[in-house]
Amino acid sequence: AQKITQTQPGMFVQEKEAVTLDCTYDTSDQSYGLFWYKQPSSGEMIFLIYQGSYDEQNATEGRYSLNFQKARKSANLVISASQLGDSAMYFCAMREGLRNNNDMRFGAGTRLTVKP
Amino acid sequence: ETGVTQTPRHLVMGMTNKKSLKCEQHLGHNAMYWYKQSAKKPLELMFVYSLEERVENNSVPSRFSPECPNSSHLFLHLHTLQPEDSALYLCASSRWEGANVLTFGAGSRLTVL
Repeated sequence: AQKITQTQPGMFVQEKEAVTLDCTYDTSDQSYGLFWYKQPSSGEMIFLIYQGSYDEQNATEGRYSLNFQKARKSANLVISASQLGDSAMYFCAMREGLRNNNDMRFGAGTRLTVKP
Repeated sequence: ETGVTQTPRHLVMGMTNKKSLKCEQHLGHNAMYWYKQSAKKPLELMFVYSLEERVENNSVPSRFSPECPNSSHLFLHLHTLQPEDSALYLCASSRWEGANVLTFGAGSRLTVL
Protein backbone atom coordinates (compact mmCIF):
# COMPACT_ATOMS: atom_id res chain seq x y z
CA ALA A 1 0.00 0.00 0.00
CA GLN A 2 1.16 3.50 -0.81
CA LYS A 3 2.46 5.11 2.36
CA ILE A 4 3.03 8.61 1.02
CA THR A 5 0.75 10.28 -1.49
CA GLN A 6 1.54 13.46 -3.37
CA THR A 7 -1.44 14.18 -5.60
CA GLN A 8 0.04 17.09 -7.55
CA PRO A 9 2.43 15.92 -10.28
CA GLY A 10 3.10 19.54 -11.23
CA MET A 11 2.46 22.98 -9.77
CA PHE A 12 3.00 26.50 -11.03
CA VAL A 13 3.40 29.60 -8.89
CA GLN A 14 4.14 33.21 -9.63
CA GLU A 15 7.38 34.57 -8.26
CA LYS A 16 6.97 36.14 -4.77
CA GLU A 17 3.70 34.31 -4.12
CA ALA A 18 3.16 31.45 -1.66
CA VAL A 19 2.50 27.88 -2.72
CA THR A 20 1.31 24.76 -0.90
CA LEU A 21 2.47 21.30 -1.91
CA ASP A 22 0.23 18.51 -0.66
CA CYS A 23 1.28 15.34 1.12
CA THR A 24 -0.81 12.71 2.86
CA TYR A 25 0.54 9.65 4.61
CA ASP A 26 -0.63 6.36 5.96
CA THR A 27 0.68 4.78 9.14
CA SER A 28 -0.58 2.98 12.21
CA ASP A 29 2.50 3.92 14.22
CA GLN A 30 2.22 6.58 16.90
CA SER A 31 5.82 7.63 16.45
CA TYR A 32 6.94 8.77 13.05
CA GLY A 33 8.75 11.56 11.29
CA LEU A 34 7.84 13.51 8.20
CA PHE A 35 10.37 15.08 5.87
CA TRP A 36 10.41 17.27 2.81
CA TYR A 37 13.24 17.22 0.30
CA LYS A 38 13.95 19.37 -2.74
CA GLN A 39 15.62 17.94 -5.83
CA PRO A 40 16.85 20.47 -8.39
CA SER A 41 17.79 19.40 -11.89
CA SER A 42 21.33 18.73 -10.66
CA GLY A 43 20.00 15.62 -8.91
CA GLU A 44 20.99 16.16 -5.29
CA MET A 45 18.22 15.69 -2.72
CA ILE A 46 18.28 18.65 -0.34
CA PHE A 47 16.64 18.38 3.08
CA LEU A 48 14.18 21.19 3.77
CA ILE A 49 12.16 20.52 6.90
CA TYR A 50 11.24 17.89 9.46
CA GLN A 51 8.14 17.31 11.62
CA GLY A 52 7.94 14.72 14.38
CA SER A 53 4.63 13.10 15.14
CA TYR A 54 4.74 14.34 18.73
CA ASP A 55 5.65 17.89 17.82
CA GLU A 56 2.76 20.12 18.77
CA GLN A 57 3.82 23.08 16.72
CA ASN A 58 4.20 23.17 12.96
CA ALA A 59 7.82 23.12 11.85
CA THR A 60 9.26 26.18 10.16
CA GLU A 61 12.59 26.77 8.44
CA GLY A 62 12.97 30.16 6.87
CA ARG A 63 10.52 30.39 3.96
CA TYR A 64 9.43 26.79 4.47
CA SER A 65 6.72 25.70 6.86
CA LEU A 66 5.00 22.40 7.33
CA ASN A 67 1.23 22.40 7.83
CA PHE A 68 0.89 19.31 9.99
CA GLN A 69 -2.65 18.03 10.48
CA LYS A 70 -2.26 14.80 12.39
CA ALA A 71 -5.91 13.73 12.41
CA ARG A 72 -6.09 14.12 8.65
CA LYS A 73 -2.64 12.56 8.20
CA SER A 74 -1.46 15.39 6.07
CA ALA A 75 1.88 17.22 6.04
CA ASN A 76 1.69 19.93 3.43
CA LEU A 77 4.72 22.06 2.61
CA VAL A 78 4.18 25.79 2.35
CA ILE A 79 6.76 27.88 0.55
CA SER A 80 6.35 31.61 1.07
CA ALA A 81 7.65 34.33 -1.24
CA SER A 82 8.59 31.92 -4.04
CA GLN A 83 11.84 32.48 -5.86
CA LEU A 84 12.94 31.31 -9.30
CA GLY A 85 15.47 29.03 -7.60
CA ASP A 86 12.62 27.16 -5.92
CA SER A 87 11.80 25.48 -9.25
CA ALA A 88 12.54 21.80 -8.59
CA MET A 89 11.01 18.45 -7.66
CA TYR A 90 9.75 18.24 -4.10
CA PHE A 91 9.44 14.95 -2.24
CA CYS A 92 7.55 14.18 0.93
CA ALA A 93 8.88 11.28 3.00
CA MET A 94 7.96 9.45 6.18
CA ARG A 95 10.00 7.40 8.58
CA GLU A 96 8.00 5.12 10.86
CA GLY A 97 9.15 4.35 14.39
CA LEU A 98 11.84 6.01 16.44
CA ARG A 99 14.55 3.43 15.79
CA ASN A 100 14.04 2.35 12.19
CA ASN A 101 15.81 5.09 10.38
CA ASN A 102 16.08 2.83 7.34
CA ASP A 103 12.31 2.60 6.93
CA MET A 104 11.85 5.86 5.05
CA ARG A 105 9.26 5.98 2.28
CA PHE A 106 9.10 8.68 -0.36
CA GLY A 107 6.20 10.03 -2.34
CA ALA A 108 6.21 10.32 -6.12
CA GLY A 109 7.07 14.00 -5.95
CA THR A 110 5.66 17.30 -7.18
CA ARG A 111 7.40 19.38 -9.83
CA LEU A 112 7.20 23.05 -8.89
CA THR A 113 7.78 25.71 -11.51
CA VAL A 114 8.14 29.32 -10.41
CA LYS A 115 7.19 31.80 -13.11
CA PRO A 116 8.81 35.25 -13.32
CA GLU B 1 34.79 18.58 0.72
CA THR B 2 31.01 18.60 0.52
CA GLY B 3 28.96 16.31 2.75
CA VAL B 4 28.31 13.30 0.52
CA THR B 5 30.28 12.84 -2.69
CA GLN B 6 29.38 10.38 -5.41
CA THR B 7 31.51 9.31 -8.35
CA PRO B 8 31.15 9.00 -11.23
CA ARG B 9 28.33 11.45 -11.86
CA HIS B 10 27.53 9.79 -15.18
CA LEU B 11 28.19 6.23 -16.33
CA VAL B 12 27.33 4.42 -19.54
CA MET B 13 27.93 0.70 -19.62
CA GLY B 14 27.11 -2.31 -21.69
CA MET B 15 25.21 -5.26 -20.32
CA THR B 16 28.37 -7.36 -19.98
CA ASN B 17 30.50 -4.71 -18.27
CA LYS B 18 31.52 -4.54 -14.63
CA LYS B 19 31.67 -1.14 -13.00
CA SER B 20 31.41 0.39 -9.54
CA LEU B 21 29.76 3.45 -8.05
CA LYS B 22 31.50 5.14 -5.16
CA CYS B 23 30.12 7.19 -2.29
CA GLU B 24 32.05 9.04 0.38
CA GLN B 25 30.74 11.02 3.34
CA HIS B 26 32.58 13.52 5.53
CA LEU B 27 29.85 14.11 8.10
CA GLY B 28 30.78 11.62 10.79
CA HIS B 29 27.65 9.61 10.12
CA ASN B 30 27.45 5.91 10.96
CA ALA B 31 24.83 4.76 8.44
CA MET B 32 24.90 4.79 4.66
CA TYR B 33 22.28 4.00 2.04
CA TRP B 34 21.82 3.29 -1.65
CA TYR B 35 18.60 4.47 -3.30
CA LYS B 36 17.45 3.98 -6.87
CA GLN B 37 15.46 6.70 -8.62
CA SER B 38 13.78 5.65 -11.87
CA ALA B 39 11.66 7.85 -14.05
CA LYS B 40 8.13 8.27 -12.72
CA LYS B 41 8.71 6.03 -9.70
CA PRO B 42 9.27 6.91 -6.05
CA LEU B 43 12.73 6.51 -4.61
CA GLU B 44 13.45 2.88 -3.83
CA LEU B 45 15.68 1.90 -0.93
CA MET B 46 18.19 -0.72 -2.07
CA PHE B 47 20.69 -1.22 0.74
CA VAL B 48 21.35 0.10 4.23
CA TYR B 49 24.57 -0.17 6.19
CA SER B 50 24.80 0.66 9.87
CA LEU B 51 28.23 0.66 11.47
CA GLU B 52 29.54 -1.01 8.32
CA GLU B 53 27.17 -3.95 8.59
CA ARG B 54 24.40 -4.45 6.09
CA VAL B 55 21.07 -4.26 7.86
CA GLU B 56 18.69 -4.12 4.93
CA ASN B 57 18.55 -5.54 1.44
CA ASN B 58 15.24 -4.81 -0.20
CA SER B 59 15.15 -7.79 -2.54
CA VAL B 60 17.67 -6.26 -4.87
CA PRO B 61 18.91 -8.48 -7.72
CA SER B 62 22.33 -10.01 -7.17
CA ARG B 63 23.75 -8.10 -10.14
CA PHE B 64 23.98 -5.23 -7.65
CA SER B 65 26.56 -5.89 -4.94
CA PRO B 66 27.19 -3.33 -2.16
CA GLU B 67 30.36 -2.93 -0.16
CA CYS B 68 30.97 -0.79 2.91
CA PRO B 69 34.64 -1.03 3.94
CA ASN B 70 34.33 1.68 6.61
CA SER B 71 31.83 4.20 7.89
CA SER B 72 32.89 6.83 5.36
CA HIS B 73 32.80 4.82 2.14
CA LEU B 74 30.16 2.89 0.29
CA PHE B 75 30.37 1.16 -3.07
CA LEU B 76 27.84 -0.35 -5.42
CA HIS B 77 29.38 -2.94 -7.70
CA LEU B 78 27.52 -3.50 -10.94
CA HIS B 79 27.74 -6.49 -13.27
CA THR B 80 25.66 -7.89 -16.12
CA LEU B 81 23.06 -5.17 -15.74
CA GLN B 82 19.87 -4.84 -17.76
CA PRO B 83 18.61 -1.76 -19.63
CA GLU B 84 15.85 -1.38 -17.03
CA ASP B 85 18.57 -0.76 -14.43
CA SER B 86 19.21 2.62 -16.04
CA ALA B 87 18.41 5.16 -13.33
CA LEU B 88 19.81 7.73 -10.95
CA TYR B 89 21.53 6.02 -8.03
CA LEU B 90 21.60 8.14 -4.90
CA CYS B 91 23.80 7.58 -1.91
CA ALA B 92 22.83 8.97 1.49
CA SER B 93 24.20 8.97 5.00
CA SER B 94 22.84 9.68 8.46
CA ARG B 95 23.29 9.04 12.11
CA TRP B 96 21.66 5.65 12.80
CA GLU B 97 20.24 6.77 16.13
CA GLY B 98 17.19 8.95 16.56
CA ALA B 99 15.19 10.91 14.06
CA ASN B 100 18.08 12.08 11.99
CA VAL B 101 17.99 13.40 8.50
CA LEU B 102 19.37 11.67 5.44
CA THR B 103 22.01 13.70 3.64
CA PHE B 104 22.15 12.79 -0.03
CA GLY B 105 24.84 12.95 -2.65
CA ALA B 106 24.22 14.36 -6.11
CA GLY B 107 23.73 10.90 -7.58
CA SER B 108 25.28 8.77 -10.29
CA ARG B 109 23.29 8.70 -13.53
CA LEU B 110 23.62 5.19 -14.96
CA THR B 111 22.72 4.24 -18.52
CA VAL B 112 22.82 0.58 -19.51
CA LEU B 113 22.96 -0.04 -23.24
